[in-house]
Amino acid sequence: SYVLTQPPSVSVAPGQTARITCGGNNIGSKSVHWYQQKPGQAPVLVVYDDSDRPSGIPERFSGSNSGNTATLTISRVEAGDEADYYCQVWDSSSDLLFGGGTKLTVL
Amino acid sequence: QVQLQESGPGLVKPSETLSLTCAVSGYSISSGYYWGWIRQPPGKGLEWIGSIYHSGSTYYNPSLKSRVTISVDTSKNQFSLKLSSVTAADTAVYYCARMVGEDCSGGSCYYYYYMDVWGKGTTVTVSS
Repeated sequence: SYVLTQPPSVSVAPGQTARITCGGNNIGSKSVHWYQQKPGQAPVLVVYDDSDRPSGIPERFSGSNSGNTATLTISRVEAGDEADYYCQVWDSSSDLLFGGGTKLTVL
Repeated sequence: QVQLQESGPGLVKPSETLSLTCAVSGYSISSGYYWGWIRQPPGKGLEWIGSIYHSGSTYYNPSLKSRVTISVDTSKNQFSLKLSSVTAADTAVYYCARMVGEDCSGGSCYYYYYMDVWGKGTTVTVSS
């Protein structure tokens, strides 16, 4: 079955750019979606269909997808961005898959 | 706006059946979209359980399919999850969500489902 691989953790200083990757075989041929989850809260969609943002999500959140890697980029990182981030795809075998999650730490 | 609220027992005994309901407000389930369940064991990642359309059409996670039943009640604007033969490994926060992501504009359909609205989640513990 299809597997999505994320780094367990990413650290970044405030004001810098965080990049969280999501690896998968030819993931560039799929639509990738990203969720932010803060402790004790439900996930929130921050990017869908590789690079689109739901209303209310800051422009600082952006996404890209090519080859075997999709990337969530958070520009001008703020303390409030500290959270777990999950990538997700819908596989052709009718299976909805999440990556293992990445903990973003703002130093 | 669309809101989802999970409800059900917080404690289930091993080998019994876990039953949860998700009440939807601000949107009629009969109007469309799939509606799904996702769970998160303590300290772990997200796992999709399955999803249902208002017509009753379902998708299930292959690893859970033998134990899962998802049903919909359009008259009450809610959908439900049943997970049978539970063990401690089924202890988790259970979320319901709306699943969107279809493009049928080109004559054929492309599916790229994702969850755009989530409930707050409900904790279910499996223990005797």
